Amino acid sequence: QVQLVESGGGVVQPGGSLRLSCAASGFTLSTSGMHWVRQAPGKGLEWVAYIRYDGRNRYYADSVKGRFTISSDNSKNTLFLQMNSLRPEDTAAYYCAKDLEDYYGSAQDWGQGTLVTVSS
Amino acid sequence: SSELTQDPAVSVALGQTVRITCQGDSLRRYYASWYQQKPGQAPVLVFYGKSNRPSGIPDRFSGSSSGITASLTITGARAEDEADYYCNSRDSSGNYVVFGGGTKLTVL
Repeated sequence: QVQLVESGGGVVQPGGSLRLSCAASGFTLSTSGMHWVRQAPGKGLEWVAYIRYDGRNRYYADSVKGRFTISSDNSKNTLFLQMNSLRPEDTAAYYCAKDLEDYYGSAQDWGQGTLVTVSS
Repeated sequence: SSELTQDPAVSVALGQTVRITCQGDSLRRYYASWYQQKPGQAPVLVFYGKSNRPSGIPDRFSGSSSGITASLTITGARAEDEADYYCNSRDSSGNYVVFGGGTKLTVL
């Protein structure tokens, strides 16, 4: 049974940094692409980043490119999102999601989300 | 990147059929996926690809696609179907993922 548990959210000042984690169980990250998706309060879903199962390809939304880095530690079966130069508009619940094999962009398994608040 | 456009709100009478649409140029080439999200919960995948419904999703949920428009149809809407619905797909490059703005479904 696939389980994804995010952590690392919190309150941070503008310009600050935060690292989100997503602990995976029930499968191995080395066999699955993974996404980060966020949702600002009262707003819709926004795709943030993707990492291929082998880490060779990583894609980012324009809104976070150059500031956020997606990575994974296969030995810990954990996905990360390093967020630098945070802005108030990055305030959102951040979800990790497992890409559905052969249907890139589709995600059947999601974590419960971790809330990031960027505020002074 | 490309955009996916959804109607902000749709309503349906209990037991009736409703179609939620998603438009975007990338849909000519790629299928959409559909997610249901209820307040305070993570999204749930309800349909993807040409004709795929995840295990546990009722068969009253179905999807279709034509040209630049993808549709999610709920046949015989139930009160528990009241939720926000999002489509997503690849963008035109095929590398990036894009979500529609979401449709709030009200079951009357």
